[in-house]
Amino acid sequence: GQNIDQPTEMTATEGAIVQINCTYQTSGFNGLFWYQQHAGEAPTFLSYNVLDGLEEKGRFSSFLSRSKGYSYLLLKELQMKDSASYLCAVPTNNAGKSTFGDGTTLTVKP
Amino acid sequence: DVKVTQSSRYLVKRTGEKVFLECVQDMDHENMFWYRQDPGLGLRLIYFSYDVKMKEKGDIPEGYSVSREKKERFSLILESASTNQTSMYLCASSLSQEAFGYTFGSGTRLTVV
Repeated sequence: GQNIDQPTEMTATEGAIVQINCTYQTSGFNGLFWYQQHAGEAPTFLSYNVLDGLEEKGRFSSFLSRSKGYSYLLLKELQMKDSASYLCAVPTNNAGKSTFGDGTTLTVKP
Repeated sequence: DVKVTQSSRYLVKRTGEKVFLECVQDMDHENMFWYRQDPGLGLRLIYFSYDVKMKEKGDIPEGYSVSREKKERFSLILESASTNQTSMYLCASSLSQEAFGYTFGSGTRLTVV
């Protein structure tokens, strides 16, 4: 089965950098996703990592270490609009099914 | 852009009613999913489908059924609604999850009274 852990809440200051961690245990690894979900809205796809290392996409970067079962999402130059829940998800089989973590609620303060 | 449309944003139904939640996607995706999202419990998979007329149970299928008669449409059915099915229901689709991830609909907030 799948087990995914993320911190429940984080707070950071506008303009700062924040790292949101995700650890997972899985019987077979097919990559790891990060999604962003603003309050009252649907999740939107942010990133996908299948190989070890850092993938950068603008202000957002995602890192994966398969040997450690660990990923993080790095948000730079934080903006107020980055206040949202960030969900880590692991595909469970080749039919595209994913198991989601409970999400980390990030609050960005002025 | 891929669009996933859920027919209702808010629904209020009575206990015991049969409820249909509709989801339509416009990009010829093979895979479609129904999740529910509850505070403290995260996103939980109810059912998914990887082809027309194909369906598989997710983690919490009890009290639900699904229908996929056409590739673009995936319906979730609550056979006899109960108050513990009050939740946010999210439909998602994907072509190749590895490359693009899920595209979610805007969600249906269902309240069963």
